[in-house]
Amino acid sequence: GAVVSQHPSWVICKSGTSVKIECRSLDFQATTMFWYRQFPKQSLMLMATSNEGSKATYEQGVEKDKFLINHASLTLSTLTVTSAHPEDSSFYICSAYLAGGRVFEQYFGPGTRLTVT
Amino acid sequence: AQKITQTQPGMFVQEKEAVTLDCTYDTSDPSYGLFWYKQPSSGEMIFLIYQGSYDQQNATEGRYSLNFQKARKSANLVISASQLGDSAMYFCAMRELSQGAQKLVFGQGTRLTINP
Repeated sequence: GAVVSQHPSWVICKSGTSVKIECRSLDFQATTMFWYRQFPKQSLMLMATSNEGSKATYEQGVEKDKFLINHASLTLSTLTVTSAHPEDSSFYICSAYLAGGRVFEQYFGPGTRLTVT
Repeated sequence: AQKITQTQPGMFVQEKEAVTLDCTYDTSDPSYGLFWYKQPSSGEMIFLIYQGSYDQQNATEGRYSLNFQKARKSANLVISASQLGDSAMYFCAMRELSQGAQKLVFGQGTRLTINP
């Protein structure tokens, strides 16, 4: 149980275009989902916390107008990278928090590798 | 200030040996949680083990154990009888409460390589 999927697993887009990444909790309802970014050979950096039915909370330094997050249901959160540029190329990972599970255990998706050309 | 510190960028260990991956943390919150995750080259984050700040005993999960030394603020991961499949990045993370919300803060990671 507690499976999180992401789609697509990898995407290549041209500079200036927008890309949408989906994060789904397949067998549980997640009131909170998290979006992380990981540059090569670096750690995971939290970008934003997404709560169902409310606006996302962004970490300091993350442009909310560039990284649009929508958590429309208890099983789906989306991250849209708008007007993508090569410096946005990264590995994006989502996680979902299972309330009532082990203390604050997050279940991670497999990640999406974004390359902007 | 760095809240989670992993001082070993890389570790090389012979197969079947035990290995200890270091992690120190900094927090003033009396209630916190510490996690270890494994990230193979595929990129997925695999949960290994969890230690709560009030847990009296060190956490263990199969070949993984957490050497929790609260006074020293360290939470080292011990892998016994290492296997080739243990080669991966390992991240230590701490649950913290920030602006009324819980979140995970990750360390820089340690790349573990198991040699046959």
